[in-house]
Parts: sequence; structure tokens; C-alpha cells
Amino acid sequence: DAGVIQSPRHEVTEMGQEVTLRCKPISGHDYLFWYRQTMMRGLELLIYFNNNVPIDDSGMPEDRFSAKMPNASFSTLKIQPSEPRDSAVYFCASTGRGLGYTFGSGTRLTVV
Amino acid sequence: AQKITQTQPGMFVQEKEAVTLDCTYDTSDQSYGLFWYKQPSSGEMIFLIYQGSYDEQNATEGRYSLNFQKARKSANLVISASQLGDSAMYFCAMREGGNNDMRFGAGTRLTVKP
Repeated sequence: DAGVIQSPRHEVTEMGQEVTLRCKPISGHDYLFWYRQTMMRGLELLIYFNNNVPIDDSGMPEDRFSAKMPNASFSTLKIQPSEPRDSAVYFCASTGRGLGYTFGSGTRLTVV
Repeated sequence: AQKITQTQPGMFVQEKEAVTLDCTYDTSDQSYGLFWYKQPSSGEMIFLIYQGSYDEQNATEGRYSLNFQKARKSANLVISASQLGDSAMYFCAMREGGNNDMRFGAGTRLTVKP
């Protein structure tokens, strides 16, 4: 079991550029979550999917953020255009019928 | 409204001693789950322990135990025999009822002193 795989681990981009973060959940897990972690706001749930369908996107900060899950093994979180305040660590997590979430290693995004 | 409250931004403990990290929660659901995660300086989120709202016994996992006081809506994490490797951020989290999304507290930074 390779766990939840996120890429890239680090991303540095210029303001205004498009950023795409990627996540591969654990095989068999039917829930996928995107979280953002900052010093000021802690861990925030952005959006989550069940069986590839977005269930709750109320945490997505604004229209610049979008997330997709085209199949059970892949999800993306896109920011277009990126802004310096988007700098954060973005985590993907997945879970099945079990109790706890398994988190990926996170993507540290820096927008300059 | 804040659903998970961790009132201790930072805690210190001497190596080999026990430490309690506080967590209170707010929910009107009868069915919910409480979780603790550890985040070391490397950044990954590590699941430690789970307590269900209907569980009558406090959860234990090795050196970790959860002091669950339902009437007070508290779910404190107790770490026994602290080790230097326990130095990390600790997050309390809750999942309510039929929801599958988990909400986190602000975290407590634990430092274990040699």
C-alpha cells in the first residue's frame, strides 16, 4: 500500500500563474478530501468527494479554486490565477469505510 | 462557529513524564467520532487514536489514551512516558453523524524536554 500520493511536494510559482496540485488516493477508498494548512487559519477543509462526485465545496475560498476527480484514482486542485495569499501546505486525504483518514505528504505551495 | 477547541497553543513536558493535551468539542449530533493526529516537523499527518461517541471505554493505543468525558464534551489526549520523538503538533478532530468530513482544532505544539 503506497498510501496517498501527492505531487509535487513543493511548488513555487509567480503570482497570476495557474497551479495544479495532484492526488492519488489509496485504492479502494471512496472518499477524497482536500485540506489547506496555514499558520493563520490552521487546517481548513476545502472540498471532498464521494465516489468521484463533489459532495461539499463550501470551503473553497473563491472561484479561482477548482477541484476535479475524473476517476477513482486521481484528483486535482487547481488555482487560477494564483495569488501570494494562496501560499500554504495543501493536503489530500482519503478514507473508505474505516474510521480515520490517511493523509498524503502535502504540497507546499509558495506564490511569489 | 468553532466546533473543536484546543486551548493550549504550546505545552512542555519532561521526558518520561505524562502529558495531557486538551480538546473540547461542540455538536448536537448523538453520533460522532473524535480523532487525534500528530504532525511532526516533517509535515505529515499521522493518525493516533479514535473515540466513537457510543464507545463506553476510553480508547487506548500504546502510550496514547483518550480521556473521553461526554457530558463535558471533552476528548483529551494523554501521552504517557513522553519521548523526545513525541515533540510535534497535535490536532484534535471531529466527524459528525452521517457526515464524512472531518474538522480540526487549531492544534497544540508539544515540546518534550530531555
